[in-house]
Amino acid sequence: NAGVTQTPKFQVLKTGQSMTLQCAQDMNHEYMSWYRQDPGMGLRLIHYSVGAGITDQGEVPNGYNVSRSTTEDFPLRLLSAAPSQTSVYFCASRKPQGGADTQYFGPGTRLTVL
Amino acid sequence: DAKTTQPNSMESNEEEPVHLPCNHSTISGTDYIHWYRQLPSQGPEYVIHGLTSNVNNRMASLAIAEDRKSSTLILHRATLRDAAVYYCILRGLSAGGTSYGKLTFGQGTILTVHP
Repeated sequence: NAGVTQTPKFQVLKTGQSMTLQCAQDMNHEYMSWYRQDPGMGLRLIHYSVGAGITDQGEVPNGYNVSRSTTEDFPLRLLSAAPSQTSVYFCASRKPQGGADTQYFGPGTRLTVL
Repeated sequence: DAKTTQPNSMESNEEEPVHLPCNHSTISGTDYIHWYRQLPSQGPEYVIHGLTSNVNNRMASLAIAEDRKSSTLILHRATLRDAAVYYCILRGLSAGGTSYGKLTFGQGTILTVHP
């Protein structure tokens, strides 16, 4: 299994541009999430999905859209990039097992918005 | 979500045991204790979790206090590759709303391992 994969690994955008960060998992996990991590800080939840066709907002959803058309893929869209969105983005997936489940994280996408 | 408290940083020498403490005095009866670590420039990775009893796996051991208000992650023989930020996280059973299963990452403990 490849686990959780993310593309691209690095991206530089200009303010106002839009783009999609890709995330895929091959473990048939129902739950998927997007987090962002700013320098020296912990991860903050952007959006999450509990299954195909079902998404919801996390702590910091403004400026981001998500959709979940398949179990495997969970893309994150930046509608109009802003310098405040410069961060490292991590996608994660898990199989729900109450409080005992394990989250698997992708390698991250480093985004810089100029 | 119940909060956890960890020291900002700890240091160890290679091949020595490391005990990473975590306080979680407001833990509920159904909260699992999870540990993740994040190596430099990588995504977090699962280390271990437990509910009441001590747990062992190939990476580490988890010692849970009898009252569950604290726990300790034990790395039996630290290696340079163990240098990372270690996060102690509580996970409850709720599957709805903002506590659906998000992991609330605090600042964690930065572990430095000296050769």
